Amino acid sequence: KAGVTQTPRYLIKTRGQQVTLSCSPISGHRSVSWYQQTPGQGLQFLFEYFSETQRNKGNFPGRFSGRQFSNSRSEMNVSTLELGDSALYLCASSRTGNEGTEAFFGQGTRLTVV
Amino acid sequence: AQSVAQPEDQVNVAEGNPLTVKCTYSVSGNPYLFWYVQYPNRGLQFLLKYITGDNLVKGSYGFEAEFNKSQTSFHLKKPSALVSDSALYFCAVRDMNGNNRLAFGKGNQVVVIP
Repeated sequence: KAGVTQTPRYLIKTRGQQVTLSCSPISGHRSVSWYQQTPGQGLQFLFEYFSETQRNKGNFPGRFSGRQFSNSRSEMNVSTLELGDSALYLCASSRTGNEGTEAFFGQGTRLTVV
Repeated sequence: AQSVAQPEDQVNVAEGNPLTVKCTYSVSGNPYLFWYVQYPNRGLQFLLKYITGDNLVKGSYGFEAEFNKSQTSFHLKKPSALVSDSALYFCAVRDMNGNNRLAFGKGNQVVVIP
């Protein structure tokens, strides 16, 4: 059974540009969450989608947005990139999205903003 | 809001010795607790979870964790550490209030010395 797939694995962007990251969840999983990991802030929750609807959102500016498609694949977009957006972005999927189900993580997309 | 504390930055242990990684949590109501492991340049791998029932939970790769409600702790343990267990370990909590986000601790670097 294929795991969570994130593309691309690595990205280098310039300040002010925008970027789109992609996540394909495990087959049958309907909940997709995104996290940002940095050395200083650790792992921080960005947002969660379930059946194409955003259910939860973390404390990030509006430059961070996402969506989920009918096949449960998800994308996140960051506009007007800042140096501080450099991070490992992790996508996680779970079957039902309820509180007791474990989330399975992809390998992440390493974004570097220069 | 839910939160997790992992008090030690790094845990050093000799190969073959018992390994313990500490975690305490704060959440309204009863918690859902998780442990994940992260190897360099990889995503998070699920190890185990506590939802309800027996306080001792067994997980992958010989790891187990003990839930202690009175001490609000969920320490990860392994009876005999391997060099391959050297990695970054994260404790995470969800609350039961319909909020599906995971709150992570800062992580513990485990170094198993041959």
